[in-house]
Amino acid sequence: GENVEQHPSTLSVQEGDSAVIKCTYSDSASNYFPWYKQELGKRPQLIIDIRSNVGEKKDQRIAVTLNKTAKHFSLHITETQPEDSAVYFCAATPYSSASKIIFGSGTRLSIRP
Amino acid sequence: NAGVMQNPRHLVRRRGQEARLRCSPVKGHSHVYWYRQLPEEGLKFMVYLQKENIIDESGMPKERFSAEFPKEGPSILRIQQVVRGDSAAYFCASSPRQNSGALYNEQFFGPGTRLTVL
Repeated sequence: GENVEQHPSTLSVQEGDSAVIKCTYSDSASNYFPWYKQELGKRPQLIIDIRSNVGEKKDQRIAVTLNKTAKHFSLHITETQPEDSAVYFCAATPYSSASKIIFGSGTRLSIRP
Repeated sequence: NAGVMQNPRHLVRRRGQEARLRCSPVKGHSHVYWYRQLPEEGLKFMVYLQKENIIDESGMPKERFSAEFPKEGPSILRIQQVVRGDSAAYFCASSPRQNSGALYNEQFFGPGTRLTVL
């Protein structure tokens, strides 16, 4: 069935360094890959997304890459700051006009001062 | 996404009681999704509804759980005879009506209802 694997489950980086989170998906029909940031006790917030006709997308310090052949996609955060500390979820949705989101298990990112 | 409203924000129930969770989507959105998040875990899809229709309930337990999205009023997720394992955060998301040719619409999440079963 549909599945999204996410690694690592926890990540600690020095402030100013880069953080990378990697995901793989199983459903080859997936064509939309959002990334969500969730702070403690809060709702998931969409931070960036990428569609299957694009290999890379960047928004300031955040970038996502997608390799459809390998079914891999990654989140890159550069120049990390304390406010980047949160749980990050990758996700995939199969092709449809409106479909459920399949979430990865999450990465708890901690930024060390 | 601040437009999706959920209530109550916190709900405490004793084992065997019923829990009713409400979700009002962003105005004009006709698609509602419910997700469950167990402590320290990711979000798991439960059910997808449009007005008066259940489109996909593949993630919802077959017993004790039901959902509706009536023509008027909020979407309701109902859990009967709650057990301790039902303790979780339940998030609702909405997305707008699909236009012809649209591939996907972003889902906007509500603040969640945190259910605690004693």
